[in-house]
Amino acid sequence: SQQGEEDPQALSIQEGENATMNCSYKTSINNLQWYRQNSGRGLVHLILIRSNEREKHSGRLRVTLDTSKKSSSLLITASRAADTASYFCATVRMDSSYKLIFGSGTRLLVRP
Amino acid sequence: EPEVTQTPSHQVTQMGQEVILRCVPISNHLYFYWYRQILGQKVEFLVSFYNNEISEKSEIFDDQFSVERPDGSNFTLKIRSTKLEDSAMYFCASSVLAGGYEQYFGPGTRLTVT
Repeated sequence: SQQGEEDPQALSIQEGENATMNCSYKTSINNLQWYRQNSGRGLVHLILIRSNEREKHSGRLRVTLDTSKKSSSLLITASRAADTASYFCATVRMDSSYKLIFGSGTRLLVRP
Repeated sequence: EPEVTQTPSHQVTQMGQEVILRCVPISNHLYFYWYRQILGQKVEFLVSFYNNEISEKSEIFDDQFSVERPDGSNFTLKIRSTKLEDSAMYFCASSVLAGGYEQYFGPGTRLTVT
């Protein structure tokens, strides 16, 4: 898989359930960021986790990072219909490059 | 809350025409970026800009593309002679510093080349 690949590609859950999305990457990273994109709209920054961090929380979001497995997960607890969107992980490599490398994203549908 | 703004939201142009996409980054940010997203595909990095010069560019960012910070607030992406394959959503982003810092994205400009 390429740098920053999410799975599943699509996820459909009922409102109130938890949603878990995973991201895998290949190279050593400085940090990993999760973004949300509503259909045809801009990218909203959700959370950044640095390579020396293992877990981070923000409201209903919980992100984990396992650098030994080169993977991250995003958990959205008590999902709402408004959480329906595509979710992308993006990595910043450990070298001098500052660009974000995006995955293909997970399309989340939260059914009311 | 400060945000990145982009104009226009949608631009339709004919093949071979020049387009300029405009962005106003967050005011205290020092690093600026352009990304693009072809419909149904991943978001791809185009270029990063710091201290009035390009710090990194991708293979996509060829001689047809240029960036400029003409004044203290605007950051522009110019495509000199558009091609059909340039049709995409173009996102501007900025960050306070580079590397370990969040990049904040604008709402995007949808470019349609006919």
